Amino acid sequence: DTGVSQDPRHKITKRGQNVTFRCDPISEHNRLYWYRQTLGQGPEFLTYFQNEAQLEKSRLLSDRFSAERPKGSFSTLEIQRTEQGDSAMYLCASSFSNGQLFFGSGTQLSVL
Amino acid sequence: EDQVTQSPEALRLQEGESSSLNCSYTVSGLRGLFWYRQDPGKGPEFLFTLYSAGEEKEKERLKATLTKKESFLHITAPKPEDSATYLCAVQVGNNAGNMLTFGGGTRLMVKP
Repeated sequence: DTGVSQDPRHKITKRGQNVTFRCDPISEHNRLYWYRQTLGQGPEFLTYFQNEAQLEKSRLLSDRFSAERPKGSFSTLEIQRTEQGDSAMYLCASSFSNGQLFFGSGTQLSVL
Repeated sequence: EDQVTQSPEALRLQEGESSSLNCSYTVSGLRGLFWYRQDPGKGPEFLFTLYSAGEEKEKERLKATLTKKESFLHITAPKPEDSATYLCAVQVGNNAGNMLTFGGGTRLMVKP
């Protein structure tokens, strides 16, 4: 295992469509985070899991967004009825309970 | 509300021209300050963590320092391969999940 893996790397979709991203964390890490980053800005926290439990969600995470981490391993982030404002890089990170965050390369979403 | 501000937004240096990047923060109970490097189209890559005022850490041409209000990333004799966006982030004391709050980043370009 060489790091956090995200799939797909790029996604182009039409407004109103649903999209789903996948994140495979570093296997020993119990925490998994989703961040969103727009051009020229720093990453913004969306949500995090400890094992399979989703423990915190940002107010940025509207009800069109849902994240899961079944069995405490990989995670998925789904966006329903996409809007142009959802266009961004979606970053996944993982960590031990008190450790630094390791980030994946992200999924770049473009909503047309 | 926790705030992290980075300056300058962009910095152009000639190869060998040393400089410093600034990260100022207003938070309640700093647990740690993190510096990350981000290359275009990739996720942030961890550089340093600083925990208390007066602490310094070095890695190759980079040196990070921390005071009670700000952190500096000093770049000594930079090379073109140091060109990237440098992000700082804070982790606060009431944050059970280790989430990071990021600044907007400094885009560094080093010309040969």
